[in-house]
Amino acid sequence: GAVVSQHPSWVICKSGTSVKIECRSLDFQATTMFWYRQFPKQSLMLMATSNEGSKATYEQGVEKDKFLINHASLTLSTLTVTSAHPEDSSFYICSATTGHSYEQYFGPGTRLTVT
Amino acid sequence: QKEVEQDPGPLSVPEGAIVSLNCTYSNSAFQYFMWYRQYSRKGPELLMYTYSSGNKEDGRFTAQVDKSSKYISLFIRDSQPSDSATYLCAMIGGSYIPTFGRGTSLIVHP
Repeated sequence: GAVVSQHPSWVICKSGTSVKIECRSLDFQATTMFWYRQFPKQSLMLMATSNEGSKATYEQGVEKDKFLINHASLTLSTLTVTSAHPEDSSFYICSATTGHSYEQYFGPGTRLTVT
Repeated sequence: QKEVEQDPGPLSVPEGAIVSLNCTYSNSAFQYFMWYRQYSRKGPELLMYTYSSGNKEDGRFTAQVDKSSKYISLFIRDSQPSDSATYLCAMIGGSYIPTFGRGTSLIVHP
């Protein structure tokens, strides 16, 4: 149980274009979803927290106009990287909680490369 | 000083060894402690979850929390090459958002 999927698993895009990453909880309803960014050999950096039907709460230093988060349902959240630049290249990981405990269940991650 | 400190390693051990992974923290409000395992190019998966002080065992894995010392450990017995991964500690205090360590890279060689 508590499976989270992400799509796509990897994507290459050109500088200036936008990319959408989907995060789905497959067998549970996710009250809260989180988006993280991870650089090689670094820890997870929380970008934003989103609850279904509400605006996302962004961490300090994360541009909300650049990283658009939509939490349309209890099983789906999307992260759109707008006007991507090479420095946005990273590993993006989502996670979700069931609401019954503090445990976060992570997706497999999406590797974004901006050329 | 970061809230959670974790040695990035790498920690290299022979197969069958007992592995000890550790994190220290400074925030006394942390109450929930977790260990995640992350294979290369994959998302983290939850290994162990403990509340407050004490030990918790699950198969070859034992999680230990010492709140008085603000120190947590994960022990892996009879380590296997398949245990080679990055292990992240995470802690939760007043909010439900965890604070992660930077992870320790473990290499178990045959």
